[in-house]
Formats: sequence, C-alpha cells, structure tokens
Amino acid sequence: GQQVMQIPQYQHVQEGEDFTTYCNSSTTLSNIQWYKQRPGGHPVFLIQLVKSGEVKKQKRLTFQFGEAKKNSSLHITATQTTDVGTYFCAGLPNFNKFYFGSGTKLNVKP
Amino acid sequence: EAQVTQNPRYLITVTGKKLTVTCSQNMNHEYMSWYRQDPGLGLRQIYYSMNVEVTDKGDVPEGYKVSRKEKRNFPLILESPSPNQTSLYFCASSLSGGAGGYTFGSGTRLTVV
Repeated sequence: GQQVMQIPQYQHVQEGEDFTTYCNSSTTLSNIQWYKQRPGGHPVFLIQLVKSGEVKKQKRLTFQFGEAKKNSSLHITATQTTDVGTYFCAGLPNFNKFYFGSGTKLNVKP
Repeated sequence: EAQVTQNPRYLITVTGKKLTVTCSQNMNHEYMSWYRQDPGLGLRQIYYSMNVEVTDKGDVPEGYKVSRKEKRNFPLILESPSPNQTSLYFCASSLSGGAGGYTFGSGTRLTVV
C-alpha cells in the first residue's frame, strides 16, 4: 500500500490566494522532502526536513514537519502564476527508502 | 553543470520490441533510481542502485531490468514492452539513498502500441 498520502489531489486558486498541501504517513518518518514539478518538466528538489516540529521558509513557501514526524505541509502565501505545477512530498519511513506522495497539482488563475 | 541526462526524451515503440532508456549522471552520486509517473499515482520506484553492481527492486519492477556497471550510468531495459508500460519515466540520483534530495533527469515519455 501507499506509504505516504498526499492531499488534495488538485487545487485551483486565484492569484494572490494562499495554498496548502498536506502529506501524511501512518509510520514515523525520519526525513521528508518536497519537490516541485512544473508542467512538462521534472521534479526539482525544494527542501528537506528532519527534526520534529521543524519549520523552514523559502520566500513565500513555508514547510512544516509535524511533532510526531508523521505529517508535513507546504504552504504558499499569495500564490503567483509561477507557482503552477505539481508539488510532491517524499517521506523516509524508518530509514528504509523514500516513498513519494501522489502529488498536488496547483493551478493559479491570473 | 551538475545533471542527470536521460535519452531518449520521447519514444514510441511496438509491443515486444526490446528497448533501453539510458541514464547518466555527472555528480559522482552513488545512489541511482528509476521511477515511473502515472496520473494519480505519483512517482513509483522501479529499481534502484546503491552503488556499482548493487541493484535492487523497487515497488513496480515487473517487466524491467537494470544494470550498474559504471557509477555514472544506470540504463533501464524493457525486454518485451507491453502497453501497460506506457508511462513517463524518470531517472534520479543522489549522494546516498536520497538524503539531501534527488536530482532528476528530464524524463522519457514512452508509448507502447
């Protein structure tokens, strides 16, 4: 079964609105990563979180790792058309191997 | 420039005709992996390699083969392609097991008719 669940599958927002995608695992993750894939492109590594409760920011993007290390979120403030793409999380349960979520496809209307 | 190079970018083939998708990285990464991407299913791992001559099955290995004779190259082989292998394929590499992030190739869009 799928190790890492990601929701929502799709999100349509108006430019300037906020966006959040969530990643959940039934097992503790030692590491979680986030990737962005532009339409027609390949996944590009954004960030890695390893500590319980960790929060990292990249400009308008905020990444959080849950206290129990079973969930994570990516929040984009004031979306822009350049944010369009699919956002994937990849979790590492028990130092085994990374499992990718199914992705959240973000569409931003100008 | 640090990169993972995949070839070809697009391929249309017929059922049963053996094909190879090449993957090469110039970052001296030990870990390399193949994924297929299908709508709604995300990225599923086909095979991975921890180092030269060390390969192992991922989550969806049936119908695929790989080899790792050199550190930089990790070709994906479809001995007898079938239509259910029509997909978008990505090769990825990392320093060790993915920690620190994967670098992905540009992808290979394969259609098997």
